[in-house]
Amino acid sequence: AQSVTQLDSHVSVSEGTPVLLRCNYSSSYSPSLFWYVQHPNKGLQLLLKYTSAATLVKGINGFEAEFKKSETSFHLTKPSAHMSDAAEYFCVVRSSNYKLTFGKGTLLTVNP
Amino acid sequence: DTAVSQTPKYLVTQMGNDKSIKCEQNLGHDTMYWYKQDSKKFLKIMFSYNNKELIINETVPNRFSPKSPDKAHLNLHINSLELGDSAVYFCASSQESRQHNYGYTFGSGTRLTVV
Repeated sequence: AQSVTQLDSHVSVSEGTPVLLRCNYSSSYSPSLFWYVQHPNKGLQLLLKYTSAATLVKGINGFEAEFKKSETSFHLTKPSAHMSDAAEYFCVVRSSNYKLTFGKGTLLTVNP
Repeated sequence: DTAVSQTPKYLVTQMGNDKSIKCEQNLGHDTMYWYKQDSKKFLKIMFSYNNKELIINETVPNRFSPKSPDKAHLNLHINSLELGDSAVYFCASSQESRQHNYGYTFGSGTRLTVV
């Protein structure tokens, strides 16, 4: 069975500093992986996705993630945080039977 | 031109009532889903329909009954609502393929509060 573990439930950064949100996955085959963002009282927006093409994936709003098979990781990064990045971030793995399995989420706080 | 739209956005109702949430997608996708987000923000799949056929039915009480009249619609009917049903329910859609995955588009959610 596929699963994801988001290693931090809460990450706090200062505006203009780098962001690192960590995610490890477990999968019996080459997975499809996603990062979604949820702003307060809003829906889920796709940031980026990995589907066995390039291991470094660029997404919207300056975010990117690197798929590392040897480490079973798919960490999300951004060089410089903006106040508008404050939100809940979900690492997600797609299983073979049309199902997404979500991590428990990481709350990103951006301080002025 | 909203891609996945669900109605209503907010729903407050009393215990024991029956209610429905509607979802429509205009993306031409062949698969639709219902996910439940609990108070701790954890998201879990409830149902998945592919071309109107039920594919996934997780361990959800049978008070919850999905209905897909066509590929573009997936409604969720809930009977005898309980306090524990209070959550945010998200509809989603995708175009599924065994070789590729095209991503999932989510609706903006329906916040259900049972009092």
